[in-house]
Amino acid sequence: GAVVSQHPSWVICKSGTSVKIECRSLDFQATTMFWYRQFPKQSLMLMATSNEGSKATYEQGVEKDKFLINHASLTLSTLTVTSAHPEDSSFYICSARAETGPAYSNQPQHFGDGTRLSIL
Amino acid sequence: AQSVSQHNHHVILSEAASLELGCNYSYGGTVNLFWYVQYPGQHLQLLLKYFSGDPLVKGIKGFEAEFIKSKFSFNLRKPSVQWSDTAEYFCAVKGGSSNTGKLIFGQGTTLQVKP
Repeated sequence: GAVVSQHPSWVICKSGTSVKIECRSLDFQATTMFWYRQFPKQSLMLMATSNEGSKATYEQGVEKDKFLINHASLTLSTLTVTSAHPEDSSFYICSARAETGPAYSNQPQHFGDGTRLSIL
Repeated sequence: AQSVSQHNHHVILSEAASLELGCNYSYGGTVNLFWYVQYPGQHLQLLLKYFSGDPLVKGIKGFEAEFIKSKFSFNLRKPSVQWSDTAEYFCAVKGGSSNTGKLIFGQGTTLQVKP
């Protein structure tokens, strides 16, 4: 159980295009999903917290107009990298938290397989 | 601000050797602590977590971690590693005041186990 599917797993595109990455919780509902960015040999850096039915909460230094997040349902959040440039090339990972019980914020996050984005 | 520091960036061990990976965090309040593992080509998986109670936490695959509040540490241990333990290990912390469940990750430790 608790599977998170991320799509696509790998994308290469030209500079200036927009890229959409999907994150789905397959067998549970997730009011909250998280988007991370991971550089080679470095840690996961939280970019934003995606909340179903409301605006995402972005971390300091993350451009919300650059990284558009939509969380339209309890099982799907999308991250769109707008007008992508080579410096946006990275590994993007989403996670979702099962919303069960009164202490849901203590539920562990379940991670997707990540999306490797390469901008030429 | 919360931060997590993992002391060992790259660890190489032979099979059957004992493992200890260091993790220190900075946060003055109540914390929840996690260790995640990322096997080559796979997604992050939860190894173990600490919320409260017994500071010695046992996780999957024979791993355990000890929360030492006075040292702000949550070191990961395994008495005898196997080749299949080769992976990237991440320590993470969630501050008790954060109701969103936001995790702060350490830099990660690459463990290479030689057969």
